[in-house]
Amino acid sequence: GAVVSQHPSWVICKSGTSVKIECRSLDFQATTMFWYRQFPKQSLMLMATSNEGSKATYEQGVEKDKFLINHASLTLSTLTVTSAHPEDSSFYICSAQIGGNQPQHFGDGTRLSIL
Amino acid sequence: AQSVTQLGSHVSVSEGALVLLRCNYSSSVPPYLFWYVQYPNQGLQLLLKYTSAATLVKGINGFEAEFKKSETSFHLTKPSAHMSDAAEYFCAVYGSSNTGKLIFGQGTTLQVKP
Repeated sequence: GAVVSQHPSWVICKSGTSVKIECRSLDFQATTMFWYRQFPKQSLMLMATSNEGSKATYEQGVEKDKFLINHASLTLSTLTVTSAHPEDSSFYICSAQIGGNQPQHFGDGTRLSIL
Repeated sequence: AQSVTQLGSHVSVSEGALVLLRCNYSSSVPPYLFWYVQYPNQGLQLLLKYTSAATLVKGINGFEAEFKKSETSFHLTKPSAHMSDAAEYFCAVYGSSNTGKLIFGQGTTLQVKP
């Protein structure tokens, strides 16, 4: 149980394009979803917290106009990297949580490469 | 505020040897603690969790961790390492504001030598 699916797993695109990443909880309803960015050999950096039906809460230093988050249902959240540039290249990981102090369950990540 | 420190960014053991990955936390409230494993180019997989029940927590893949309040520690162990255990391991604690945000340690890379 507690499976989170993240799609796509790998994206390569040209500078200036927008990229959408989907995160789905397959067998549970997620009150909250989280989006992380991970640089090589580093820990996860929280970008934003997303609750179904409300605006995402972004961490300090994360541009909300650059990283658009939509959490339209209890099983789906999307992250759109708008007008992506090479410095946005990274590994993006989502997680989903039922609520309270329950564990976060993670997707397999998306490797984003901007040329 | 909660924080997590993983001692040793890199641990190397021989196959069949004991695995010990160290994690110390600071928390002003009873903590919820987790160990996650990350294989290359993948997300994080939950190994085990401590939620104020038994202090010795058993997880998947033969791992276990012991919560020691007096030492503010939550070290991860496995009696006998397998080659497939080679990965990155993260200790994490929930923040005190109950927002569900995880505070991660820096991670420990486990290398298993044949």
